Amino acid sequence: NAGVTQTPKFRVLKTGQSMTLLCAQDMNHEYMYWYRQDPGMGLRLIHYSVGEGTTAKGEVPDGYNVSRLKKQNFLLGLESAAPSQTSVYFCASSYPPTGVFPLYEQYFGPGTRLTVT
Amino acid sequence: AQSVAQPEDQVNVAEGNPLTVKCTYSVSGNPYLFWYVQYPNRGLQFLLKYITGDNLVKGSYGFEAEFNKSQTSFHLKKPSALVSDSALYFCAVRDRATGANNLFFGTGTRLTVIP
Repeated sequence: NAGVTQTPKFRVLKTGQSMTLLCAQDMNHEYMYWYRQDPGMGLRLIHYSVGEGTTAKGEVPDGYNVSRLKKQNFLLGLESAAPSQTSVYFCASSYPPTGVFPLYEQYFGPGTRLTVT
Repeated sequence: AQSVAQPEDQVNVAEGNPLTVKCTYSVSGNPYLFWYVQYPNRGLQFLLKYITGDNLVKGSYGFEAEFNKSQTSFHLKKPSALVSDSALYFCAVRDRATGANNLFFGTGTRLTVIP
């Protein structure tokens, strides 16, 4: 199993350009997440999805859009990139918190390093 | 509001010595707490969690964490540090408001184990 994979690994954009980051997981997880990691700020949740066709805003959603058309994929879009979106982006997935012994932990991809100039 | 705090940006420890990475939390209700580790240029890896039960939780790679309700702490510990333990460590708390598995992360503590 590949786990959680992210494409691309690196990207440089000019201000105003758009791009889409792709996350794929092969663990049949219902829930998926997008985080950004900035120095001294830890990870902050951008958007998340609790199932195919559903998305919701996290802590820092402005400037980003997401789509979950297939259970295994979660796309993060930047319509008009800004220098403030320079960051490392992580995708994660998990099972839903259900059952007798729910599993709450998330599984992370390797990250995408995005620079906006 | 739920949050975790990691008071130390950097922890240095000699190889073979015990290590502690500190975390305190602020939640309403019972906390669900986690530790993750991030090696250079990698994603986060799950180490251990506290949901309920025994206050001492054992996890991967010989790490353990002690949940202390009175001090609202969840410190990560290891009896004997290895150079390979050098990494960035994050404490996290589950967001109980949404019903999803969303996590609030601390700012991270960089652990350096000195040979």
